Amino acid sequence: DAKTTQPPSMDCAEGRAANLPCNHSTISGNEYVYWYRQIHSQGPQYIIHGLKNNETNEMASLIITEDRKSSTLILPHATLRDTAVYYCIVRGVGAGSYQLTFGKGTKLSVIP
Amino acid sequence: KAGVTQTPRYLIKTRGQQVTLSCSPISGHRSVSWYQQTPGQGLQFLFEYFSETQRNKGNFPGRFSGRQFSNSRSEMNVSTLELGDSALYLCASSFSVPEGGARETQYFGPGTRLLVL
Repeated sequence: DAKTTQPPSMDCAEGRAANLPCNHSTISGNEYVYWYRQIHSQGPQYIIHGLKNNETNEMASLIITEDRKSSTLILPHATLRDTAVYYCIVRGVGAGSYQLTFGKGTKLSVIP
Repeated sequence: KAGVTQTPRYLIKTRGQQVTLSCSPISGHRSVSWYQQTPGQGLQFLFEYFSETQRNKGNFPGRFSGRQFSNSRSEMNVSTLELGDSALYLCASSFSVPEGGARETQYFGPGTRLLVL
């Protein structure tokens, strides 16, 4: 699975959009980009995933560049409850690539 | 639909003991994965079970084992506990198909926090 690079920390003002970048320059054509977040000492929470098209759900939007070498997770109106570590994960296909490989993620602090 | 449940939520053991952790997946999910999270190593994959068979395995010693039952519930066992086994143990389930793959979203439980003294 391709490796990902994320900034270690970011701040965002409450009510503003939080844009979390992820670099995955070695991603293969059939690898998906997944985003999870983990609020302190809880289990990781699935946010969104995508292959090449932009995706949106009730939690967030995922923007993947045309060359697929990077992506951005957008939380449109950040709240204090969005303070968490956000993980960007690239995941291959096939039974042998089933596991999620977590990096260090980005610690997002939403500030009042 | 109920989420992934794990029991117990907290556990204290002493070195040399063994421990069994339990995970009940989301109804209809056939795959269960286990992860260990420590401050130093982060989240690391232990193993994955699908249809009562271990399908994927991480790089952990044989003291870590697991099994899956016909109702997809899974247990993880750690024998001869060491201080370094203190961690948050997370279970994740997904619907899955035999060939597996990236399209299967994993949903995590709240974890079991194990402290080894």
